[in-house]
Amino acid sequence: EVQLVESGGGLVQPGGSLRLSCAASGFTFSSYAMSWVRQAPGKGLEWVSAISGSGGSTYYADSVKGRFTISRDNSKNTLYLQMNSLRAEDTAVYYCAKETRIRLRHIYYFDYWGQGTLVTVSS
Amino acid sequence: DIQMTQSPSSLSASVGDRVTITCQASQDISNYLNWYQQKPGKAPKLLIYDASNLETGVPSRFSGSGSGTDFTFTISSLQPEDIATYYCQQYDNLPRYTFGQGTKLEIK
Repeated sequence: EVQLVESGGGLVQPGGSLRLSCAASGFTFSSYAMSWVRQAPGKGLEWVSAISGSGGSTYYADSVKGRFTISRDNSKNTLYLQMNSLRAEDTAVYYCAKETRIRLRHIYYFDYWGQGTLVTVSS
Repeated sequence: DIQMTQSPSSLSASVGDRVTITCQASQDISNYLNWYQQKPGKAPKLLIYDASNLETGVPSRFSGSGSGTDFTFTISSLQPEDIATYYCQQYDNLPRYTFGQGTKLEIK
């Protein structure tokens, strides 16, 4: 059974830092790209960042570029999101999501999601 | 960036009703569109991928159609457990996925 379990959320002051983790199990972690998706309170879903299975390629939404860093440790089956220079608008539930790709048919989707971890940026 | 516009933003329907949600892309995205269901306090769940393919285990009352810029998500006979917010998601502009703003579905 695929499981994704996020941790590391909490209350942080503006300008502060936080590192989120996502522990994966039930699949060959290194074979799959992973993403972080966030949801501000009462709002919709926003893709934040993605990383390839090897970790060699990373991608960011413009809203977090230069402040957030995605990484992974395939030996520990764990995905990370280092968040620096946090702003009030970064307040959200952060989900990690497993990406499935069917390249020959150009099909991509998030088939498993964690339960989310809440990040609150406030003084 | 590709913008995704869903309508309506909220919808109230009765059990057994046919429910339709639309999603419009700001440019041609072929059939590179997914639909997710999110129940309150829960993570999103994939329902439809590639515009019209039903994810394994998802009830057949859910369906999707469309291509290019206009897409439709349908629940053929609304059930009480379908109360949720539904999101479309484009994957034409990889890896930068974009979601629609969501449609909140309530029981009348």
